[in-house]
Amino acid sequence: QSVLTQPPSVSAAPGQRVTISCSGSTSNIGNNYVSWYQQLPGTAPKLLIYDNNKRPSGIPDRFSGSKSGTTTTLDITGLQTGDEADYYCGTWDYSLTAMVFGGGTKLTVL
Amino acid sequence: QVHLVQSGVELRKPGASVKVSCKASGYTFSNYDISWVRRAPGQGLEWMGWIAPYNGNTNYAQKFQGRVTMTTDTSTSTAYMDLRSLTLDDTAVYYCARHEQRRWFDPWGQGTLVTVSS
Repeated sequence: QSVLTQPPSVSAAPGQRVTISCSGSTSNIGNNYVSWYQQLPGTAPKLLIYDNNKRPSGIPDRFSGSKSGTTTTLDITGLQTGDEADYYCGTWDYSLTAMVFGGGTKLTVL
Repeated sequence: QVHLVQSGVELRKPGASVKVSCKASGYTFSNYDISWVRRAPGQGLEWMGWIAPYNGNTNYAQKFQGRVTMTTDTSTSTAYMDLRSLTLDDTAVYYCARHEQRRWFDPWGQGTLVTVSS
């Protein structure tokens, strides 16, 4: 059971938009920076969003992040088949004194 | 360009230990922590702990305390993760990642598959 809750799967058609939510509590998302990671099949995770809503260089602006209270959201617009991957949110939890991840969301582009 | 390169595939028997290495390049090794994260088959990402190369301070996830040791060699910009008393449940891909404290992981090593099997 993960500390952060994500939907196990989401799906949408190419060109469409999808939203992945990640909910937590005041000990983690509510008072700390959130990051998002994309893990393509057979590869290492890659940083997509950091500090709630910032994109590293090289990440397309089709990917955006936001945070409100104890929930954070990853938005992906203009879906491509190459976006099929597992997506994870992550943050610090000061009660656990540990970094924590969501359980992951598998994105299928139909 | 920042890179983390990990050691190769490992096969161990239950009860044994494994030590995985992670060599960093392209940045000042002492300026960032290194975290270790694993992903077991069919499971999600699990953070194991971090080490600060600057002073060797560590923070291990409670689940692994007493069974994991993280070290660094600043002369070679290499981090190590030693996991003892392996069980079948430790079968996973182990990743190292450069870690901006309590914020983000970037980049990640390519991963090291550790298989525990009798």
